[in-house]
Amino acid sequence: GAVVSQHPSRVICKSGTSVKIECRSLDFQATTMFWYRQFPKKSLMLMATSNEGSKATYEQGVEKDKFLINHASLTLSTLTVTSAHPEDSSFYICSARVREGLSRETQYFGPGTRLLVL
Amino acid sequence: QKEVEQNSGPLSVPEGAIASLNCTYSDRGSQSFFWYRQYSGKSPELIMSIYSNGDKEDGRFTAQLNKASQYVSLLIRDSQPSDSATYLCAVRGVGFQKLVFGTGTRLLVSP
Repeated sequence: GAVVSQHPSRVICKSGTSVKIECRSLDFQATTMFWYRQFPKKSLMLMATSNEGSKATYEQGVEKDKFLINHASLTLSTLTVTSAHPEDSSFYICSARVREGLSRETQYFGPGTRLLVL
Repeated sequence: QKEVEQNSGPLSVPEGAIASLNCTYSDRGSQSFFWYRQYSGKSPELIMSIYSNGDKEDGRFTAQLNKASQYVSLLIRDSQPSDSATYLCAVRGVGFQKLVFGTGTRLLVSP
């Protein structure tokens, strides 16, 4: 399957600082990437859909000014958590959509970034 | 009604048995169906995709789709302790919409 990487894999930061997470599609071009968040023992929660060259589409309840998404190229999307607070501590996972035929698409996930805000 | 429903489990099976994981969905127009495996502390990993009614086999895994009943399942033959994980069912509707995930079924395979 397609390979998606994320960096960093783990980050610890102080409350009030901003953290940038990168998501890259390594062997394919991804016009659409997705950002998810997952709290311990909870379900995946879609935060936003990132489209190359356009503004991201945020899910209801997700603050777009707090979670800045940039998808400037076909292989890179970034999520910046601005003014992070302890309640933002979570597992952030990106996913990239791959076309595999005329009407078939598959989503592959990156390894995730564990954020701890002190 | 949730869009994609799964029993949260845990589903416990002994090593070597067949594990049967089930998923129902509410959007009758759904066209693409996926099973992901997620180990504790890790991100989801794609196991199978299925698009047509019937069975699709890949190694020890078989996905089954019944669009009339709005039901998709995953069978794991010869279950191994390493199969112990949470299995997520995901469904996509008409067009290239976002995937809708179930809450996952936790599978425990005992040696």
